[in-house]
Amino acid sequence: GQNIDQPTEMTATEGAIVQINCTYQTSGFNGLFWYQQHAGEAPTFLSYNVLDGLEEKGRFSSFLSRSKGYSYLLLKELQMKDSASYLCAVRDKGANNLFFGTGTRLTVIP
Amino acid sequence: GAGVSQSPRYKVAKRGQDVALRCDPISGHVSLFWYQQALGQGPEFLTYFQNEAQLDKSGLPSDRFFAERPEGSVSTLKIQRTQQEDSAVYLCASSTRSFRRITDTQYFGPGTRLTVL
Repeated sequence: GQNIDQPTEMTATEGAIVQINCTYQTSGFNGLFWYQQHAGEAPTFLSYNVLDGLEEKGRFSSFLSRSKGYSYLLLKELQMKDSASYLCAVRDKGANNLFFGTGTRLTVIP
Repeated sequence: GAGVSQSPRYKVAKRGQDVALRCDPISGHVSLFWYQQALGQGPEFLTYFQNEAQLDKSGLPSDRFFAERPEGSVSTLKIQRTQQEDSAVYLCASSTRSFRRITDTQYFGPGTRLTVL
């Protein structure tokens, strides 16, 4: 089975940097994904990692350590519009679907 | 289309009623997924189609839930004899081909919020 753990809530200040952690346990790892979800809206794809290391996309970066079952999403130069839930999801080998964590609700304050 | 669309966006049903939720995936997307998202939780997998074939329905919570995609494009999730515990947002996602390819990202629709009274 799969077990995905991430903090429930975080608060950060506009312009700052925030790191959202995700730990996972899975029987056969085949990729980790991060999605952003604003209240009442669709999850939107942010990033994926399949190999160890850091993937950077503008203000967003995602890191993966497969040996530790650990990932983080790094958001730089926070903006008010970044207030949303951030979902960590893993894909198992042999599966086509994603297994999601409960999501981290980020609140950006002025 | 420009994105995944779902209808209706909101549905209120009385306990015991049947409901049908529709998903229009991105044109040409082979894979289609249904997820259930309870309030404050992450999405949970329900079922998966590749074209018209339902390849995985292991996440469907009971035999009251049924999904189809007869022509390999539009899909319908049907819930019979709805119960209060069925209240959730039902999300549809599609991707270009077999999702085993890491580059084939799932794109989600806005969901249907189902409330069972």
